[in-house]
Amino acid sequence: NAGVTQTPKFQVLKTGQSMTLQCAQDMNHEYMSWYRQDPGMGLRLIHYSVGAGITDQGEVPNGYNVSRSTTEDFPLRLLSAAPSQTSVYFCATQRTRAETQYFGPGTRLLVL
Amino acid sequence: KQEVTQIPAALSVPEGENLVLNCSFTDSAIYNLQWFRQDPGKGLTSLLLIQSSQREQTSGRLNASLDKSSGRSTLYIAASQPGDSATYLCAVSSRTGNQFYFGTGTSLTVIP
Repeated sequence: NAGVTQTPKFQVLKTGQSMTLQCAQDMNHEYMSWYRQDPGMGLRLIHYSVGAGITDQGEVPNGYNVSRSTTEDFPLRLLSAAPSQTSVYFCATQRTRAETQYFGPGTRLLVL
Repeated sequence: KQEVTQIPAALSVPEGENLVLNCSFTDSAIYNLQWFRQDPGKGLTSLLLIQSSQREQTSGRLNASLDKSSGRSTLYIAASQPGDSATYLCAVSSRTGNQFYFGTGTSLTVIP
C-alpha cells in the first residue's frame, strides 16, 4: 500500500514549456485535490475531483488543467509554464469529504 | 472567500512546556477542520480532524477544539518534545466539504 505517490520529485522547466505532474493513489479514495504551496501564502487549492470523470476549479486554477479518467490517477497539466508557477505542488486524497486528507510528498517545480 | 489566520507565525518553547496554537477563520459555514504537521521539505501529515458538529478531538498529547460560531480553533500540545518541532497547519473546509482553505502555519521549535 503506497498511499499517495507523486512524480517527479523535482523538475526544472523553461518558460513556455508544458509538462504533467503525476499523482496516483492506491487507497480507492474518491476525492483528490491539487495544491500549490508558496512561501507566506500557505497551500492554495488548484483543482479537485470528487470522483472519476468529475473535476472542478479551486482558488487558483488559471494555467492548469486536470482530468480524472480513473479513480487512481489525477494528473495536473501545465500548458505553458510561467515563472509564477514556480512552487511546490502537493496532491491529496480523501475517502469521503468527512474524512482525513492524505498528502503526497510533493513535486518541487522551478520555471526559469 | 474564506480567510484562515494562524497566530503566532513562529513559536519557540523549552521542552516539557504545554502550548497552544491558534487558528481563526472568517466564514463559520464549514464542513470540518483539520490540523496538519509539516516537516521541512516534506508533505503534510494529518493530526486531528474535527467535524463541524464536534467541539473537540484528542489524540495522545494533542487536543484540538473548535468553536464554529466564533470562527476559532486551538491545538493544544501537552508536554512538548523536541520531536514536535515542525510547522503546524490549520485547514477549514467549505460548506460542501469539497474545498479546503489553509492558514500559513505556525513554525514550532521545542528546545531540549
